[in-house]
Amino acid sequence: NAGVTQTPKFQVLKTGQSMTLQCAQDMNHEYMSWYRQDPGMGLRLIHYSVGAGITDQGEVPNGYNVSRSTTEDFPLRLLSAAPSQTSVYFCASSYSVRGYEQYFGPGTRLTVT
Amino acid sequence: SQQGEEDPQALSIQEGENATMNCSYKTSINNLQWYRQNSGRGLVHLILIRSNEREKHSGRLRVTLDTSKKSSSLLITASRAADTASYFCATDRGSTLGRLYFGRGTQLTVWP
Repeated sequence: NAGVTQTPKFQVLKTGQSMTLQCAQDMNHEYMSWYRQDPGMGLRLIHYSVGAGITDQGEVPNGYNVSRSTTEDFPLRLLSAAPSQTSVYFCASSYSVRGYEQYFGPGTRLTVT
Repeated sequence: SQQGEEDPQALSIQEGENATMNCSYKTSINNLQWYRQNSGRGLVHLILIRSNEREKHSGRLRVTLDTSKKSSSLLITASRAADTASYFCATDRGSTLGRLYFGRGTQLTVWP
């Protein structure tokens, strides 16, 4: 199993550009989520999904969209990039919604200039 | 807002010594988890402890949970240089929706 994969590893955007961060898992996990990690802030939840076709907002959803058309994929879209979205983005998945460990991808380092 | 608060923010020890990290949280929980993050990498799950458990072991790791004090500790015994990493606690704030809330982490450095 590849586990949780994320692409790209690094990305530089100009303010106002849009892009999609890709996330895929091959473990047939029900639950998937996106976090951002900023220096000194730990991880903060952006959006999550409890199954295909079901998504919801986390702590910091503004400026981001998600969809979950398949169990495997959970892309994160930045609608109009801002310098405040410079961060490291992690995708994670879990077997089920409640009380299970989360498996993290390697991260995408995004810089918005 | 952050849920868990790890203490200390940074810890530096010699190989062979024990490392203890603490986590305090503010709300009721169903479970608390500890994760490790090596520099530039994703998080790796270490231990999950449920609210009705007081202690759990995994190899050189021991986690305790005191729900009355809303605190947890992670003990790494006989530390190795390879244990150098950031350690995070995460709670669910009592949610059944799978959401996790992370602290800011403890940066552990183990010197050979």
